[in-house]
Amino acid sequence: GAGVSQSPSNKVTEKGKDVELRCDPISGHTALYWYRQSLGQGLEFLIYFQGNSAPDKSGLPSDRFSAERTGGSVSTLTIQRTQQEDSAVYLCASSLEGVLGGVRNTEAFFGQGTRLTVV
Amino acid sequence: SQQGEEDPQALSIQEGENATMNCSYKTSINNLQWYRQNSGRGLVHLILIRSNEREKHSGRLRVTLDTSKKSSSLLITASRAADTASYFCATASNTGKLIFGQGTTLQVKP
Repeated sequence: GAGVSQSPSNKVTEKGKDVELRCDPISGHTALYWYRQSLGQGLEFLIYFQGNSAPDKSGLPSDRFSAERTGGSVSTLTIQRTQQEDSAVYLCASSLEGVLGGVRNTEAFFGQGTRLTVV
Repeated sequence: SQQGEEDPQALSIQEGENATMNCSYKTSINNLQWYRQNSGRGLVHLILIRSNEREKHSGRLRVTLDTSKKSSSLLITASRAADTASYFCATASNTGKLIFGQGTTLQVKP
């Protein structure tokens, strides 16, 4: 596609339910990132996929959060047993990683996010 | 984990004035980038400066990087009402991981 696509754009769920958020990166982009942003706050890093390397999961806030990336393309972020504090905008980004002269090109392209509300 | 810290948190200026935002970080970086966000949704990449560069220009944007002080600044010259947005710095590690700061909210009054 022309850009990073996230679905759904909005999700309202009941506390305790599981949710799945989807991200379709730009075709050919090897790197994919998930971030969480609460109202008026910065972006909280969640997870980073790069090619065939093991993902960097260091930002996942608890074991209720997991993410996978199938076939090096589409990614799904799953939140189990949702809590009210999980309410936020979840942003996905992808980049065409390359290293030239030891310098990484990591310009990230963002989707419009999924606004998750846990009631 | 968050790496970047930005100041000021909020900035309000008149159209035509210059706006300066600062970003500090803690660990070594491969490059540093600045992004803009409107309406709390997707971010748009503005400019990337490599760790071996000290200054970079793009249109009305000027970015500086001081790796000895682990800090960067973004200058927007001759600001316009349309520049009203939140601005974030992001540091890229040698593994490509991107960590964002808390952002500066800029309001440009017409």
